[in-house]
Amino acid sequence: QQQVKQSPQSLIVQKGGISIINCAYENTAFDYFPWYQQFPGKGPALLIAIRPDVSEKKEGRFTISFNKSAKQFSLHIMDSQPGDSATYFCAGTIQGAQKLVFGQGTRLTINP
Amino acid sequence: DVKVTQSSRYLVKRTGEKVFLECVQDMDHENMFWYRQDPGLGLRLIYFSYDVKMKEKGDIPEGYSVSREKKERFSLILESASTNQTSMYLCASSLSGLPTYEQYFGPGTRLTVT
Repeated sequence: QQQVKQSPQSLIVQKGGISIINCAYENTAFDYFPWYQQFPGKGPALLIAIRPDVSEKKEGRFTISFNKSAKQFSLHIMDSQPGDSATYFCAGTIQGAQKLVFGQGTRLTINP
Repeated sequence: DVKVTQSSRYLVKRTGEKVFLECVQDMDHENMFWYRQDPGLGLRLIYFSYDVKMKEKGDIPEGYSVSREKKERFSLILESASTNQTSMYLCASSLSGLPTYEQYFGPGTRLTVT
């Protein structure tokens, strides 16, 4: 019930292409879905988050698409750049529960 | 800027040793968390604390304990380290007034148990 499943585990995209990472969740009590970005040697950092009553949220080249009926959401990185190479984690959380439930992570490599 | 620091970047310990991992945050955050990160498994919550001397078990607390004597400091203790505790350990903190999803992470401690 708590799980968040993330795919693919690794992804290679050419510079300028679109990177797409998918997540599915089971717990319908989740009310926020954040994405974290982690560079080598660093801790994860919050990238963008969405509520389930919104179908899409865009911040610069990063967009979250949300499908509540399918219990799925995805991160799209437009015009992917080598500097976007990192590990990305999706997560679900319940406001006030103080806990994040993370997906398995996706290692993204952008080839120049 | 919020800063979360962890006492060691790399640590090598022997099986059966008692291991202390220290985490300090400088932004007066109420909530602190310990995760372990393993390839293919993501980040899994070990313990968290929402106040001094308060602690709650996360999803994988077995083999670990924690201590929070001061608001800024949260320690993870491995009472008797085992090889299956070889992992990357991440500490995080958050402010109770902020959205729950906004956690600030330290750089991690890579622990190897031989």
